[in-house]
Amino acid sequence: GAVVSQHPSWVICKSGTSVKIECRSLDFQATTMFWYRQFPKQSLMLMATSNEGSKATYEQGVEKDKFLINHASLTLSTLTVTSAHPEDSSFYICSARDGQGGAKNIQYFGAGTRLSVL
Amino acid sequence: AQSVSQHNHHVILSEAASLELGCNYSYGGTVNLFWYVQYPGQHLQLLLKYFSGDPLVKGIKGFEAEFIKSKFSFNLRKPSVQWSDTAEYFCAVNPAGTSYGKLTFGQGTILTVHP
Repeated sequence: GAVVSQHPSWVICKSGTSVKIECRSLDFQATTMFWYRQFPKQSLMLMATSNEGSKATYEQGVEKDKFLINHASLTLSTLTVTSAHPEDSSFYICSARDGQGGAKNIQYFGAGTRLSVL
Repeated sequence: AQSVSQHNHHVILSEAASLELGCNYSYGGTVNLFWYVQYPGQHLQLLLKYFSGDPLVKGIKGFEAEFIKSKFSFNLRKPSVQWSDTAEYFCAVNPAGTSYGKLTFGQGTILTVHP
């Protein structure tokens, strides 16, 4: 099946620094990638939708200047948490949507990145 | 805005018991429906999906789900659970015809199966 690789799996950073998380589709071209945030014991909350070659679409309440998304190729999207603060500590998950044929509405998920901001 | 509701936060069963996890959504149009499973320490995996056709869909590992349009429901079932089914289960909805396939997730149901 389709594989999505997310890196790093865990990162600890100091308050005020920026952190970049990568999301790669390994065996398919992902025209669309999604970034989610998951709080403890809660569901996945969509942060933004990223389409290759265009600006990301952010969900209401998500600061686009704080969570920078770049989708420069059909296999890579990055999320940069800028000037991270302790309240940004969370579990970030990416998914990639196969743009081909019958699989076009299926999202494949990365393993997630746990961000801890000290 | 659409929403997805999963009725049970935590379900505890013994092996061989039957399972039914509820999922209701609020959206007036045509939808694509999904169940994802997240085993401990692993990423979300697709369990099954419904796009159109037969409202009773079968997925991996003996799971099935029934789409009842009149009830806006997509409940997940398994006749006999195993210890290895211990995981968190998420129902998700995507309005059909949207170009990007954006998903709205339910709150998740943790299933614990005792041997």
